[in-house]
Amino acid sequence: EAGVVQSPRYKIIEKKQPVAFWCNPISGHNTLYWYLQNLGQGPELLIRYENEEAVDDSQLPKDRFSAERLKGVDSTLKIQPAELGDSAVYLCASSGTSAYNEQFFGPGTRLTVL
Amino acid sequence: RKEVEQDPGPFNVPEGATVAFNCTYSNSASQSFFWYRQDCRKEPKLLMSVYSSGNEDGRFTAQLNRASQYISLLIRDSKLSDSATYLCVVAFSGGYNKLIFGAGTRLAVHP
Repeated sequence: EAGVVQSPRYKIIEKKQPVAFWCNPISGHNTLYWYLQNLGQGPELLIRYENEEAVDDSQLPKDRFSAERLKGVDSTLKIQPAELGDSAVYLCASSGTSAYNEQFFGPGTRLTVL
Repeated sequence: RKEVEQDPGPFNVPEGATVAFNCTYSNSASQSFFWYRQDCRKEPKLLMSVYSSGNEDGRFTAQLNRASQYISLLIRDSKLSDSATYLCVVAFSGGYNKLIFGAGTRLAVHP
């Protein structure tokens, strides 16, 4: 069974440019999470989806970040415009029908903003 | 103060050594506890859950002290393959496991 898929794996952009990350969760997983991980830090939750509904986006910087999961399967996280401080790894995770199921992480997208 | 605090290390130990990591958390309402492992440039993966009674999985033993808000991980007979960053994770029951990660403790096992 395939794990969580993310693309691209690496992205280098100049500041003020837009960027988008894509995630496809494990088949059948209703819950999808986007995390940000800075170097030397643990992942921090940006947004959580239950099917197509964003149920926790309290830590998403909404002035420049947006996310969608239109059909309740794959998801896109966008930054527009990107800033130097956005350089980090963006991790997607998914978990099963129980809210307390283990979260499985994808390999992440490493973003560098120049 | 960070919600989950860990010694960043690195812990440099020889193969076969026993090593222990500690973690403290600030929110007494925390309900679930985990250790995740993260290899360099890889994603975090669940190593083990931590139960109040303590639990063991092979060479790994996890302990929880709710009164002191303290979690530990003990690795016996360290292997080269144990080299990684170990993330202490605390979850709050706000209807689901909202995971709060520590910054991680880096372990390097050498021959």
